[in-house]
Amino acid sequence: AQKVTQAQTEISVVEKEDVTLDCVYETRDTTYYLFWYKQPPSGELVFLIRRNSFDEQNEISGRYSWNFQKSTSSFNFTITASQVVDSAVYFCALSVRFNFNKFYFGSGTKLNVKP
Amino acid sequence: EAQVTQNPRYLITVTGKKLTVTCSQNMNHEYMSWYRQDPGLGLRQIYYSMNVEVTDKGDVPEGYKVSRKEKRNFPLILESPSPNQTSLYFCASSMDKNTEAFFGQGTRLTVV
Repeated sequence: AQKVTQAQTEISVVEKEDVTLDCVYETRDTTYYLFWYKQPPSGELVFLIRRNSFDEQNEISGRYSWNFQKSTSSFNFTITASQVVDSAVYFCALSVRFNFNKFYFGSGTKLNVKP
Repeated sequence: EAQVTQNPRYLITVTGKKLTVTCSQNMNHEYMSWYRQDPGLGLRQIYYSMNVEVTDKGDVPEGYKVSRKEKRNFPLILESPSPNQTSLYFCASSMDKNTEAFFGQGTRLTVV
């Protein structure tokens, strides 16, 4: 069975602080894909990153970085020098090779960045 | 502009009154899905489609129907809506297996 756990329901930080959003996944499939999506207050879902199970390299995109560790089944997301515009709900999601039509979403982490 | 378009964005209806939420994508994607988002539960898949005339159930299909007569459209039908179907609904499409999904703007449905 596949599962994604985002244990942090809500996080509040002050602008310019760094913040890490945790994501732990479960799957027995050896080929899988991990995603992060952002849902700002306007409600749409914005794709941030996709990572396959064979690529454990960390990725950095501007103030965003992702740390993928297969040993701990984690795919954590860090925002450096957070800004008010980063306030949103962030979802981690998993898809697996043999059930590729489906995304397994975590319950989301609501990030509040205060000025 | 590449996009997934859902209509309506907001809908309040009464129990038992049939409704359809439309979804259209202009990216020629083969894969389309419907999800519902509820507080504390994330997004759960209702139905998905791999191509025209090919659909299958997701995790929470009860009370919903879908059809895929054209590649670009994937409407969600609630034949007899009930209050427990009050939710935020998202349509999504993706180009290929395990690629990222593009989501519509969401439809907030309230059934009273």
